Amino acid sequence: DTAVSQTPKYLVTQMGNDKSIKCEQNLGHDTMYWYKQDSKKFLKIMFSYNNKELIINETVPNRFSPKSPDKAHLNLHINSLELGDSAVYFCASSQDGYGRGYEQYFGPGTRLTVT
Amino acid sequence: QKEVEQDPGPLSVPEGAIVSLNCTYSNSAFQYFMWYRQYSRKGPELLMYTYSSGNKEDGRFTAQVDKSSKYISLFIRDSQPSDSATYLCAMSAKGAQKLVFGQGTRLTINP
Repeated sequence: DTAVSQTPKYLVTQMGNDKSIKCEQNLGHDTMYWYKQDSKKFLKIMFSYNNKELIINETVPNRFSPKSPDKAHLNLHINSLELGDSAVYFCASSQDGYGRGYEQYFGPGTRLTVT
Repeated sequence: QKEVEQDPGPLSVPEGAIVSLNCTYSNSAFQYFMWYRQYSRKGPELLMYTYSSGNKEDGRFTAQVDKSSKYISLFIRDSQPSDSATYLCAMSAKGAQKLVFGQGTRLTINP
C-alpha cells in the first residue's frame, strides 16, 4: 500500500507549457509539503499545507501554485515552464507540522524535464 | 553561507568499515536534527531523529549532536552494500514547520 503517491513519475515538456503534478497520501496526516531537488541533490521546501491551509510559502516564483482540495491531496501547478524548473519534485506528508513535523514521509518524486 | 553545510562526497568505503557522515549548521535555533536516507531514484526516508544535544543509537546507526559546535554526525558500523545511498541531514527549529536539508552525501559501500 503506497503511503505517499505522486503522478506522473516522469514529465517531459517544452518551455512555456503549463503542467500539473498530483500528490495523495493515505496516512491520515494533516500536513503536506512540496519540495524541489536540484541536480546536485539539494532538497528545498517550496510549500506546506496544514489541513488545506497554506502554512509555508518559500520564495518561489508565482508561476508555481499549489492547491489542496482536501487534507489527503496536494497538487502543484506550474505555468510558463522554464528550463530552470527542471528538477525532481517531491511531495511529503507528516502527522502535523509542529511536534511531529520532523518525521516526513516522501513520495517517489516527479522528474520534470523542460526542453 | 548556507544554513546547513554537508560534504556532498562521494564517499566510497569497503564493506564492514565504520562510516562517519557530518553536517555543520549556523542557525542556533535548530533543535531537531534528522538523518534521511535516499536510495537512487527514490524519495528520502527518515533514518534517525535526535532532539537537542546528545547521542542516539539504533542498531548499526548512531546519531550525535553537538550544539555547542553546531555539528552533527551519523555513524554507521559494520557497513553493508545495502547502505549505499545518499544521506541527507535535516534540521528544524522548535515550533518551526519546515526542515532545512543539507546537500546530501553520496555513500557507496563496496563488497
